[in-house]
Amino acid sequence: DAGVIQSPRHEVTEMGQEVTLRCKPISGHDYLFWYRQTMMRGLELLIYFNNNVPIDDSGMPEDRFSAKMPNASFSTLKIQPSEPRDSAVYFCASSLGFPYNEQFFGPGTRLTVL
Amino acid sequence: GQQVMQIPQYQHVQEGEDFTTYCNSSTTLSNIQWYKQRPGGHPVFLIQLVKSGEVKKQKRLTFQFGEAKKNSSLHITATQTTDVGTYFCAGSFYGQNFVFGPGTRLSVLP
Repeated sequence: DAGVIQSPRHEVTEMGQEVTLRCKPISGHDYLFWYRQTMMRGLELLIYFNNNVPIDDSGMPEDRFSAKMPNASFSTLKIQPSEPRDSAVYFCASSLGFPYNEQFFGPGTRLTVL
Repeated sequence: GQQVMQIPQYQHVQEGEDFTTYCNSSTTLSNIQWYKQRPGGHPVFLIQLVKSGEVKKQKRLTFQFGEAKKNSSLHITATQTTDVGTYFCAGSFYGQNFVFGPGTRLSVLP
């Protein structure tokens, strides 16, 4: 298996623009997680899905952030409009079961909002 | 919300020295996981602890879960340059929350 795939790997955009981050989980995994990592706030769980259904989005910072999982092999995290404080590395992870199961992280998307 | 704390934040050691990082929670954890993130990389799972007082070993790494299931430690014996990275604990609070600690950044001087 190729592991968790994220795209793009790097994104530079201007404030106010819409940003869409993409994730393909490991085939067969039933949980998908979106994390944000910054120096100041560390690794934060934004939202997670079970069988394509959002279970907990309490970590989503505000209404500018939205996440979808239209099928078992694809998820998006959208920021609209983007702001400089959204600059961070965004990781997608997947697992077979939760919380007693290893999470496999993707390589991350480094987002810079100018 | 529930949090897990880690100390120290940074640790610099000479190659061959031992290293320990501690993870603490004010609330009982159902389980704890440890991850390692190399500079510029992504977190990689190391191990999970579930039982009170559990001890697990992976070569030079020893992981412990406290009797009260509120704390955990990771000890590395005789560090090597390949151990460089940030070590995170991540705790689950009986299905209510899953939280990563802030991490301990380890640097190893050759």
